[in-house]
Amino acid sequence: NAGVMQNPRHLVRRRGQEARLRCSPMKGHSHVYWYRQLPEEGLKFMVYLQKENIIDESGMPKERFSAEFPKEGPSILRIQQVVRGDSAAYFCASSPKRGGASRETQYFGPGTRLLVL
Amino acid sequence: GQQLNQSPQSMFIQEGEDVSMNCTSSSIFNTWLWYKQDPGEGPVLLIALYKAGELTSNGRLTAQFGITRKDSFLNISASIPSDVGIYFCAGQLEVVTGKLIFGQGTTLQVKP
Repeated sequence: NAGVMQNPRHLVRRRGQEARLRCSPMKGHSHVYWYRQLPEEGLKFMVYLQKENIIDESGMPKERFSAEFPKEGPSILRIQQVVRGDSAAYFCASSPKRGGASRETQYFGPGTRLLVL
Repeated sequence: GQQLNQSPQSMFIQEGEDVSMNCTSSSIFNTWLWYKQDPGEGPVLLIALYKAGELTSNGRLTAQFGITRKDSFLNISASIPSDVGIYFCAGQLEVVTGKLIFGQGTTLQVKP
């Protein structure tokens, strides 16, 4: 059973370009979380999605950032008009059920390291 | 927003020594989790705790969910070189979403 897959593992963008980060959850998992990790810091929650629905986007910046989890295909985190401050590691985690109620923990992917020049 | 205070920030120990790290919060959590992150990789779950007072072991690792539900500790006994990495505590506050709040991490270095 393959784990959570993320691609690309590394992404370099110039200021003003768009970044698209993909996450394929573990087989059978329909809940996806995105987190951002700045250097020397812990992970910060961004958004929680179920298939075709955004459940909680309280950690997502209001502008330039968007996320989706379509019925078919991976979850996508999209950052438009990137700035240097967007440079970070972006991790996605998946869970088979809503973690808080079911004791199902979140399994993390290897992350995408975004560098904005 | 909620914050977790994790300490110590870093540790440099001799192989064979025991290690202890802890997390505290001003908020009450439903679940405490401990993860390890190797360079260039994502966090890997070590131990999950679901009840106040719960003490759980996973090999040489032992973790406890504090009685007040505002703290947790992780102990590693007889450390070995492959224990090197960054250890994160994470609390799960909200039942509805299950999102995790992470501590700042403890960097562990082990000298053979």
